[in-house]
Amino acid sequence: GQQLNQSPQSMFIQEGEDVSMNCTSSSIFNTWLWYKQDPGEGPVLLIALYKAGELTSNGRLTAQFGITRKDSFLNISASIPSDVGIYFCAGSASGGSYIPTFGRGTSLIVHP
Amino acid sequence: NAGVMQNPRHLVRRRGQEARLRCSPMKGHSHVYWYRQLPEEGLKFMVYLQKENIIDESGMPKERFSAEFPKEGPSILRIQQVVRGDSAAYFCASSPLGTGDIQYFGAGTRLSVL
Repeated sequence: GQQLNQSPQSMFIQEGEDVSMNCTSSSIFNTWLWYKQDPGEGPVLLIALYKAGELTSNGRLTAQFGITRKDSFLNISASIPSDVGIYFCAGSASGGSYIPTFGRGTSLIVHP
Repeated sequence: NAGVMQNPRHLVRRRGQEARLRCSPMKGHSHVYWYRQLPEEGLKFMVYLQKENIIDESGMPKERFSAEFPKEGPSILRIQQVVRGDSAAYFCASSPLGTGDIQYFGAGTRLSVL
Protein backbone atom coordinates (compact mmCIF):
# COMPACT_ATOMS: atom_id res chain seq x y z
CA GLY A 1 0.00 0.00 0.00
CA GLN A 2 0.95 3.65 -0.15
CA GLN A 3 3.33 4.94 2.48
CA LEU A 4 3.59 8.55 3.48
CA ASN A 5 6.46 9.85 5.59
CA GLN A 6 6.00 13.15 7.36
CA SER A 7 8.81 15.03 9.04
CA PRO A 8 9.81 16.31 11.41
CA GLN A 9 7.80 14.44 14.00
CA SER A 10 7.85 17.43 16.32
CA MET A 11 9.14 20.98 16.41
CA PHE A 12 9.79 23.37 19.29
CA ILE A 13 10.24 26.93 18.11
CA GLN A 14 10.17 30.50 19.34
CA GLU A 15 7.36 32.81 18.43
CA GLY A 16 8.18 34.69 15.26
CA GLU A 17 10.25 31.93 13.70
CA ASP A 18 9.42 30.33 10.38
CA VAL A 19 8.49 26.64 10.22
CA SER A 20 8.93 24.05 7.49
CA MET A 21 7.62 20.53 7.34
CA ASN A 22 7.30 18.03 4.55
CA CYS A 23 5.79 14.77 3.40
CA THR A 24 7.16 12.23 1.00
CA SER A 25 5.37 9.36 -0.61
CA SER A 26 6.48 6.04 -2.01
CA SER A 27 4.12 6.59 -4.95
CA ILE A 28 2.72 9.39 -7.03
CA PHE A 29 -0.16 11.44 -5.69
CA ASN A 30 -2.55 13.62 -7.66
CA THR A 31 -3.77 15.59 -4.67
CA TRP A 32 -2.01 16.82 -1.54
CA LEU A 33 -3.89 18.15 1.46
CA TRP A 34 -2.64 19.80 4.64
CA TYR A 35 -4.71 19.72 7.82
CA LYS A 36 -4.23 21.13 11.32
CA GLN A 37 -5.57 19.42 14.41
CA ASP A 38 -5.97 21.26 17.70
CA PRO A 39 -6.01 19.22 20.93
CA GLY A 40 -9.31 17.46 21.41
CA GLU A 41 -10.62 18.51 18.02
CA GLY A 42 -10.85 17.11 14.52
CA PRO A 43 -8.52 18.04 11.66
CA VAL A 44 -9.27 21.26 9.81
CA LEU A 45 -8.30 21.65 6.17
CA LEU A 46 -5.64 24.33 5.60
CA ILE A 47 -4.58 23.98 1.98
CA ALA A 48 -5.41 21.70 -0.95
CA LEU A 49 -3.03 21.19 -3.89
CA TYR A 50 -3.97 19.62 -7.22
CA LYS A 51 -1.10 20.24 -9.65
CA ALA A 52 2.57 19.31 -9.63
CA GLY A 53 4.59 22.44 -8.88
CA GLU A 54 1.58 24.29 -7.51
CA LEU A 55 2.33 26.79 -4.77
CA THR A 56 -0.63 27.93 -2.69
CA SER A 57 -0.86 30.33 0.23
CA ASN A 58 -3.38 30.75 2.99
CA GLY A 59 -2.35 33.71 5.12
CA ARG A 60 0.99 32.90 6.72
CA LEU A 61 0.84 29.35 5.40
CA THR A 62 2.32 28.30 2.09
CA ALA A 63 2.23 24.79 0.67
CA GLN A 64 3.79 23.33 -2.44
CA PHE A 65 3.02 20.25 -4.51
CA GLY A 66 6.38 18.76 -5.41
CA ILE A 67 7.39 18.43 -9.05
CA THR A 68 7.92 14.70 -8.70
CA ARG A 69 4.35 14.39 -7.31
CA LYS A 70 5.80 12.34 -4.48
CA ASP A 71 6.24 15.14 -1.98
CA SER A 72 4.72 18.26 -0.52
CA PHE A 73 5.92 21.03 1.78
CA LEU A 74 4.20 23.31 4.24
CA ASN A 75 5.76 26.50 5.49
CA ILE A 76 4.48 28.74 8.26
CA SER A 77 5.96 32.19 8.46
CA ALA A 78 6.28 34.32 11.59
CA SER A 79 4.78 31.71 13.90
CA ILE A 80 2.42 32.74 16.70
CA PRO A 81 1.26 30.79 19.77
CA SER A 82 -2.04 29.79 18.17
CA ASP A 83 -0.11 27.87 15.51
CA VAL A 84 0.39 25.17 18.13
CA GLY A 85 -1.13 21.88 17.07
CA ILE A 86 -0.53 18.83 14.94
CA TYR A 87 -0.18 19.28 11.21
CA PHE A 88 -1.08 16.39 8.94
CA CYS A 89 -0.39 15.93 5.29
CA ALA A 90 -2.61 13.68 3.22
CA GLY A 91 -2.29 12.53 -0.34
CA SER A 92 -4.53 10.71 -2.74
CA ALA A 93 -3.74 9.01 -6.01
CA SER A 94 -6.65 10.36 -7.98
CA GLY A 95 -9.46 12.82 -7.83
CA GLY A 96 -13.05 11.97 -7.11
CA SER A 97 -13.66 9.84 -4.09
CA TYR A 98 -10.34 8.12 -3.63
CA ILE A 99 -9.43 7.75 0.02
CA PRO A 100 -6.47 9.92 1.06
CA THR A 101 -3.53 8.49 2.99
CA PHE A 102 -2.52 10.53 6.04
CA GLY A 103 0.94 11.17 7.42
CA ARG A 104 1.64 10.65 11.12
CA GLY A 105 1.68 14.36 11.80
CA THR A 106 4.10 17.07 12.87
CA SER A 107 3.54 18.36 16.38
CA LEU A 108 4.33 22.07 16.60
CA ILE A 109 4.97 23.88 19.87
CA VAL A 110 5.54 27.62 19.81
CA HIS A 111 7.18 29.28 22.80
CA PRO A 112 6.06 32.87 23.38
CA ASN B 1 -15.05 21.31 11.58
CA ALA B 2 -18.20 23.37 11.22
CA GLY B 3 -21.17 21.27 10.22
CA VAL B 4 -20.01 17.70 10.81
CA MET B 5 -21.54 16.63 14.09
CA GLN B 6 -20.31 13.66 16.03
CA ASN B 7 -21.74 12.32 19.24
CA PRO B 8 -21.02 11.48 21.87
CA ARG B 9 -17.74 13.40 22.24
CA HIS B 10 -16.60 10.96 24.90
CA LEU B 11 -17.74 7.40 25.42
CA VAL B 12 -16.72 5.01 28.17
CA ARG B 13 -17.46 1.34 27.86
CA ARG B 14 -16.48 -1.78 29.74
CA ARG B 15 -14.96 -4.71 27.94
CA GLY B 16 -17.63 -6.72 26.16
CA GLN B 17 -20.11 -3.87 25.80
CA GLU B 18 -21.20 -2.28 22.55
CA ALA B 19 -20.18 1.19 21.39
CA ARG B 20 -22.27 3.23 18.98
CA LEU B 21 -20.75 6.32 17.44
CA ARG B 22 -22.89 8.74 15.45
CA CYS B 23 -22.02 11.14 12.69
CA SER B 24 -24.21 13.67 10.94
CA PRO B 25 -22.48 14.99 7.82
CA MET B 26 -22.47 18.57 6.67
CA LYS B 27 -25.66 19.66 5.00
CA GLY B 28 -25.68 18.57 1.39
CA HIS B 29 -22.87 16.03 1.83
CA SER B 30 -23.66 12.47 0.83
CA HIS B 31 -20.24 10.88 1.43
CA VAL B 32 -19.13 9.84 4.90
CA TYR B 33 -15.77 8.48 6.01
CA TRP B 34 -14.73 7.01 9.34
CA TYR B 35 -11.17 7.13 10.67
CA ARG B 36 -9.46 5.92 13.82
CA GLN B 37 -6.65 7.79 15.52
CA LEU B 38 -4.42 6.39 18.19
CA PRO B 39 -2.30 8.72 20.40
CA GLU B 40 0.56 10.30 18.42
CA GLU B 41 -0.58 8.54 15.28
CA GLY B 42 -2.11 9.70 12.06
CA LEU B 43 -5.60 8.99 10.89
CA LYS B 44 -6.26 5.44 9.75
CA PHE B 45 -9.05 5.01 7.24
CA MET B 46 -11.76 2.57 8.23
CA VAL B 47 -14.77 2.83 5.96
CA TYR B 48 -16.34 5.02 3.28
CA LEU B 49 -20.10 5.17 2.85
CA GLN B 50 -22.66 6.86 0.73
CA LYS B 51 -26.32 6.88 1.57
CA GLU B 52 -27.40 3.26 2.12
CA ASN B 53 -24.18 1.91 0.57
CA ILE B 54 -20.78 0.87 1.83
CA ILE B 55 -18.31 1.91 -0.86
CA ASP B 56 -15.01 0.91 0.71
CA GLU B 57 -14.54 -0.92 4.01
CA SER B 58 -10.98 -2.03 3.41
CA GLY B 59 -9.75 -0.39 6.62
CA MET B 60 -12.31 -1.84 8.93
CA PRO B 61 -11.60 -4.92 11.07
CA LYS B 62 -13.57 -7.88 9.80
CA GLU B 63 -15.02 -8.75 13.17
CA ARG B 64 -16.99 -6.69 15.69
CA PHE B 65 -16.98 -3.51 13.59
CA SER B 66 -19.80 -2.39 11.32
CA ALA B 67 -20.96 0.85 9.79
CA GLU B 68 -24.08 2.14 8.15
CA PHE B 69 -25.36 5.34 6.61
CA PRO B 70 -29.12 5.01 6.28
CA LYS B 71 -31.33 7.01 3.99
CA GLU B 72 -32.54 9.00 6.96
CA GLY B 73 -30.47 9.82 9.99
CA PRO B 74 -26.81 9.84 10.89
CA SER B 75 -24.09 7.41 9.99
CA ILE B 76 -23.38 4.90 12.74
CA LEU B 77 -20.11 3.16 13.53
CA ARG B 78 -20.84 0.19 15.74
CA ILE B 79 -18.27 -1.74 17.72
CA GLN B 80 -19.50 -4.91 19.38
CA GLN B 81 -17.88 -6.58 22.37
CA VAL B 82 -15.32 -3.81 22.78
CA VAL B 83 -11.80 -4.60 23.95
CA ARG B 84 -9.18 -2.30 25.45
CA GLY B 85 -7.42 -2.05 22.10
CA ASP B 86 -10.49 -0.32 20.67
CA SER B 87 -9.74 2.74 22.84
CA ALA B 88 -9.02 5.55 20.40
CA ALA B 89 -10.42 8.70 18.88
CA TYR B 90 -12.84 7.99 16.04
CA PHE B 91 -13.33 10.72 13.49
CA CYS B 92 -16.00 11.10 10.89
CA ALA B 93 -15.57 13.22 7.79
CA SER B 94 -17.95 14.14 5.03
CA SER B 95 -17.59 15.45 1.53
CA PRO B 96 -19.95 16.73 -1.11
CA LEU B 97 -20.76 14.64 -4.12
CA GLY B 98 -17.89 14.50 -6.59
CA THR B 99 -15.23 16.09 -4.41
CA GLY B 100 -14.25 13.22 -2.21
CA ASP B 101 -10.72 14.40 -1.61
CA ILE B 102 -11.80 17.44 0.37
CA GLN B 103 -13.06 15.97 3.60
CA TYR B 104 -14.47 18.01 6.43
CA PHE B 105 -13.99 16.44 9.82
CA GLY B 106 -16.07 16.32 12.94
CA ALA B 107 -14.60 16.84 16.41
CA GLY B 108 -14.40 13.11 17.02
CA THR B 109 -15.58 10.61 19.60
CA ARG B 110 -13.05 9.52 22.20
CA LEU B 111 -13.75 5.95 23.18
CA SER B 112 -12.28 4.59 26.38
CA VAL B 113 -12.65 0.91 27.16
CA LEU B 114 -12.18 -0.02 30.80
